[in-house]
Amino acid sequence: DAKTTQPTSMDCAEGRAANLPCNHSTISGNEYVYWYRQIHSQGPQYIIHGLKNNETNEMASLIITEDRKSSTLILPHATLRDTAVYYCIVRVARSNAGNMLTFGGGTRLMVKP
Amino acid sequence: GAVVSQHPSRVICKSGTSVKIECRSLDFQATTMFWYRQFPKQSLMLMATSNEGSKATYEQGVEKDKFLINHASLTLSTLTVTSAHPEDSSFYICSANGGYEQYFGPGTRLTVT
Repeated sequence: DAKTTQPTSMDCAEGRAANLPCNHSTISGNEYVYWYRQIHSQGPQYIIHGLKNNETNEMASLIITEDRKSSTLILPHATLRDTAVYYCIVRVARSNAGNMLTFGGGTRLMVKP
Repeated sequence: GAVVSQHPSRVICKSGTSVKIECRSLDFQATTMFWYRQFPKQSLMLMATSNEGSKATYEQGVEKDKFLINHASLTLSTLTVTSAHPEDSSFYICSANGGYEQYFGPGTRLTVT
């Protein structure tokens, strides 16, 4: 699975949009971009994933560049409860045992009042 | 969404004793479950892949005789930390493979005194 590069930490003001970047320049054509987050002392939580089209759900939007070498996770109106470590993971989507996730360092997002 | 539970949520044990952690998929069957370990301020590290009805696959550097994994049914995997030592103190997280997605448990914090 392709490696990803994320900033170590970011701050965001409450109520503003949080834009979290991720570089994945070695991504392969069949690899998806997944985002998870981990709130302190909890298990990771799935946020969103995409292949090449931009995606949006009730939690966030995912913008993937046309060359797919980078992406941005957008939390449109960050709240204090969005303070967490956000992980960008690139992998092939498999419906079998090869579905493990490899976690990098992630971005520690601090939402401030 | 799919739910994965872990029990206990936290446990304190004495050095030299064994501790069993349970991971259950509550509303789906999982032929594959994964066990991760997370030390403070670090990312999740995959320890092993648990396969229902067969032996677990351990990552390099993880002692299979120390971390016993049993995946006896399609909804339950257990991790037993044998002869625990203080350096085994960590946050243990399981996940279950539900089709194309992974669903994470809330984690178990183990403290060995």
